[in-house]
Amino acid sequence: GQNIDQPTEMTATEGAIVQINCTYQTSGFNGLFWYQQHAGEAPTFLSYNVLDGLEEKGRFSSFLSRSKGYSYLLLKELQMKDSASYLCAVRAINAGNNRKLIWGLGTSLAVNP
Amino acid sequence: DADVTQTPRNRITKTGKRIMLECSQTKGHDRMYWYRQDPGLGLRLIYYSFDVKDINKGEISDGYSVSRQAQAKFSLSLESAIPNQTALYFCATSDYTDGGGELFFGEGSRLTVL
Repeated sequence: GQNIDQPTEMTATEGAIVQINCTYQTSGFNGLFWYQQHAGEAPTFLSYNVLDGLEEKGRFSSFLSRSKGYSYLLLKELQMKDSASYLCAVRAINAGNNRKLIWGLGTSLAVNP
Repeated sequence: DADVTQTPRNRITKTGKRIMLECSQTKGHDRMYWYRQDPGLGLRLIYYSFDVKDINKGEISDGYSVSRQAQAKFSLSLESAIPNQTALYFCATSDYTDGGGELFFGEGSRLTVL
């Protein structure tokens, strides 16, 4: 089957670094997305990985290992405003060339002063 | 102004009532989606449309219908609302690309069915 696992909750301290992991099992892998969602608000796009390696974008970086079915989102220099839920989503293509987005349940990150 | 606009933002209704949630976008994207989000269940796809003449069921389409009135407009209807349709509903758009195609979400419509 197709499945995504990520921790339910994490806490970290302002100014620190935190790594949010995402593991997935899917066939027809076609890319992995990270989204940020503040409570009661819409998800917003953070990053996209389709090849192995690290993608860096400011304070946020995302890593992908396709052979391990593993990704992580790294947040540096944490700020209070980074307190949010972080959603991992995997895009898969089936035999009919149809794309499907599979969502994780999200990791709720609390940044403490 | 938001690129993806949903109305209403909040709605309380009673069981059996017909409800329409509307979505309009100024991003010029062909692809539009309706999701619902429930605590502990994450985002689930209700319907999606790749152009005006294309409508597809998602994973939880029962009890819902949609209409793609124009490239920029995609509405979701609950013909006879029931309490387990109480949720946060999101409209989203995307541009088809092989290099990404991330979703752009509206601000959400919180629906409560009593």
